[in-house]
Amino acid sequence: NAGVTQTPKFQVLKTGQSMTLQCAQDMNHEYMSWYRQDPGMGLRLIHYSVGAGITDQGEVPNGYNVSRSTTEDFPLRLLSAAPSQTSVYFCASTPPGVVYEQYFGPGTRLTVT
Amino acid sequence: AQSVAQPEDQVNVAEGNPLTVKCTYSVSGNPYLFWYVQYPNRGLQFLLKYITGDNLVKGSYGFEAEFNKSQTSFHLKKPSALVSDSALYFCAVRAALTGGGNKLTFGTGTQLKVEL
Repeated sequence: NAGVTQTPKFQVLKTGQSMTLQCAQDMNHEYMSWYRQDPGMGLRLIHYSVGAGITDQGEVPNGYNVSRSTTEDFPLRLLSAAPSQTSVYFCASTPPGVVYEQYFGPGTRLTVT
Repeated sequence: AQSVAQPEDQVNVAEGNPLTVKCTYSVSGNPYLFWYVQYPNRGLQFLLKYITGDNLVKGSYGFEAEFNKSQTSFHLKKPSALVSDSALYFCAVRAALTGGGNKLTFGTGTQLKVEL
């Protein structure tokens, strides 16, 4: 298994540009989530999904959209990037039947200028 | 609302000495508690969890954590620190009876530095 994969590893955007951060897992995990990590603030939940076709907002959803058309993929879309969205983004998934430990991807470092 | 506090931004310890990384939590009802570790430029890796049962939980790389319900704490410990343990450590919590999926709340992280 490749585990949880994220692309790209690094990205620089200009204010107002849009982009999609990709996340995929090949472990048939039902639960997937997106976090952002900022210095001194830990990880904050952006959006999550409990299965294909079902998504919901986390703690900091503004400025981000998600969809879950398949079990494997959970892309995060920035519609109009802002400097406040400069962060490191992590995708995570949780296997069914295992109590709540999450598997994290390697992260995407995003800079918005 | 659930929350986690990691009161120390950084913990310094000499190699071979015991280490403790502190975590306290607030949640409605019974908690599920987790520790994760993050090495530089990497994602988080799961270390250990408390769900129910024995208050002393053993995890990866010789780490353990003690759940204390009366003090609402879940401190991470290791009897003998290694330089390779130097990393950023996160405590996380969620309420045991919460609908809507696995919504963990993370602490702000504690940087552990183990020196020779």
